[in-house]
Amino acid sequence: QSALTQPPSASGSPGQSVTISCTGTSSDVGAYNYVSWYQQHPGEAPRLMLYEVTKRPSGVPDRFSGSKSGNTASLTVSGLQAEDEADYFCNSYAGGNTYVVFGGGTKLTVL
Amino acid sequence: QITLKESGPTLLKPTQTLTLTCNLSGFSLSSSSVGVAWIRQPPGKALEFLALIYWNDDTRYNPSLKNRLTITKDTSKNQVVLIMNTMDPVDTATYYCAHRRGVSGAAFDFWGQGSLVTVSS
Repeated sequence: QSALTQPPSASGSPGQSVTISCTGTSSDVGAYNYVSWYQQHPGEAPRLMLYEVTKRPSGVPDRFSGSKSGNTASLTVSGLQAEDEADYFCNSYAGGNTYVVFGGGTKLTVL
Repeated sequence: QITLKESGPTLLKPTQTLTLTCNLSGFSLSSSSVGVAWIRQPPGKALEFLALIYWNDDTRYNPSLKNRLTITKDTSKNQVVLIMNTMDPVDTATYYCAHRRGVSGAAFDFWGQGSLVTVSS
């Protein structure tokens, strides 16, 4: 059982928006603005899509955005495209002995 | 350009010890704030943090696996090594090494291709 809770699946049609949640606790997501999101296509390594809740690394489309409220962070993908179909994982810095926790992952399907 | 590449055994028997090496390029392990982590992913499952080592030899471990893990670095070779003892079939996974982005937090911006390790008798 992963430390952060994500819905196992999400879906949307091309052009639509979809939001994926990532729920932790006051010791991780709620305590720090260090939530990251990763995209993983089958057979590939994860790719960093967002860090520090809302920041995009170079090369990540601005269709990907992030937010946080309390112990829950969210990833929103706007203007869905076929290539967005992938697994998405969140993680959060947790400090202390734990250091970092990951979510269980969400499979995003583009209908 | 930053790259990481894992190497190690692909098949182990239960109770054996796993030693994985991560070869790094494009950055130096001796540079301030640098951190390199090991993260694994069982087939079809979630990512799991294992360990991280900083430029100054400070380390962090997954508390539930701490007793089985050792992470070290060789700055002269620009390598990070993970040792995991008492391997079990449930440890079958793809093991990734990853570069921590920036000077704080736990975002990993560059990943190796991964090394699939199977534990079976």
